[in-house]
Amino acid sequence: AQSVTQPDIHITVSEGASLELRCNYSYGATPYLFWYVQSPGQGLQLLLKYFSGDTLVQGIKGFEAEFKRSQSSFNLRKPSVHWSDAAEYFCAVADGEYGNKLVFGAGTILRVKS
Amino acid sequence: NAGVTQTPKFRVLKTGQSMTLLCAQDMNHEYMYWYRQDPGMGLRLIHYSVGEGTTAKGEVPDGYNVSRLKKQNFLLGLESAAPSQTSVYFCASKTDRGRGRDEQFFGPGTRLTVL
Repeated sequence: AQSVTQPDIHITVSEGASLELRCNYSYGATPYLFWYVQSPGQGLQLLLKYFSGDTLVQGIKGFEAEFKRSQSSFNLRKPSVHWSDAAEYFCAVADGEYGNKLVFGAGTILRVKS
Repeated sequence: NAGVTQTPKFRVLKTGQSMTLLCAQDMNHEYMYWYRQDPGMGLRLIHYSVGEGTTAKGEVPDGYNVSRLKKQNFLLGLESAAPSQTSVYFCASKTDRGRGRDEQFFGPGTRLTVL
């Protein structure tokens, strides 16, 4: 079974600073990878996904992520954080027959200080 | 389109009581999922369905049952609630066209407390 590790439980950044959230996965072949965001009291919203091709993928809200096979990583980045980015972020990898299940990391809570 | 909706939004149960959570989607998706979210543990898959009339166990199925009698609905049942089932429950759905490449669409969640 696949697994996803998000090493940072909490991260605090200043508004306007850059952000990088770490994600490591375990999978033998090319994985299907996702980043979701959850605002307080809300469901999850897809930020971006990777399944092949260019290793740098762009998402919504100015986020991007880079797939690095050699490091088994799929880190999420944003050059300048806004206060509205405060939320919990989940990395996930597709699993199961035809990859139709998701395995989630434990999540990283982002706090933005003004 | 309403997307994925969940009923109810909040519920408090006493130990041993039963209840059913309803998930509905209007996107004609084949796949539907039930997750629970607990602090520091991310989302864990309880049960899922690959189509009308089918169900399968996920990572943490014990104490839960599900049914998918209609394509648009996926019900999660707790027969005898326990305090360990206090959690936030999310439903999700997705199409089957892209296999694992498709995103899952999530409902707003149901916060369940078992006393």
